[in-house]
Amino acid sequence: DIQMTQSPSSLSASVGDRVTITCQASQDISNFLNWYHQKPGKAPKLLIYVASSLETGVPSRFSGSGSGTHFTFTISSLQPEDIGTYYCQQYDNLPLTFGGGTKVEI
Amino acid sequence: QVELQESGPGLVKPSETLSLICTVSGGPINNYYWSWIRQPPGKGLEWIGYISDSGRTNYNPSLQSRVSISVDMSKSQFSLKVRSVTAADTAMYYCVRGREATTIYSAFGIWGQGTMGTVSS
Repeated sequence: DIQMTQSPSSLSASVGDRVTITCQASQDISNFLNWYHQKPGKAPKLLIYVASSLETGVPSRFSGSGSGTHFTFTISSLQPEDIGTYYCQQYDNLPLTFGGGTKVEI
Repeated sequence: QVELQESGPGLVKPSETLSLICTVSGGPINNYYWSWIRQPPGKGLEWIGYISDSGRTNYNPSLQSRVSISVDMSKSQFSLKVRSVTAADTAMYYCVRGREATTIYSAFGIWGQGTMGTVSS
């Protein structure tokens, strides 16, 4: 199985701050990497697919980059509605696997 | 717009079978891959497996011996069975559709709201 390691596991930032989360894959996954946001008590929501493509309707303050084994997710200006947990997920190989999550607080 | 709705008994006894159904509305069930994903309380996400519209399946090796997924095209439903459950199977269970048609190698684009499956005597 491909292991996905996210860091940090949690962070606290202020409204307007730039927030960066990293995701490391245990082997090369090209750009087959997605990012999700899960608000408390809700289902996850897709934000970024194929490492850097913004899902329709997702605000442009969210972005993703990277390829191979190292990936980065950025919120350019943190908003109150951005709290929750962010997950990366690889789809290069089965079984599909997720990172452990990064909890974002304000 | 496509919506997914999970349903099933919320409480199952240890060693029994957890059975869940996902009903798809607002769009076709064919041409897509449909997955189940679970999340134990306070923990991360685990992909359980998928089924295609033709009935082809693939399961996470961690659960393969105890799970099965099936599809009923006529009812626009797909279902999950987890056999011989223990407390470790207590989780929120989500049904999910791939973002792109005809491939499992796609993001999880549409999620159901989830249903809690609790294993307790």
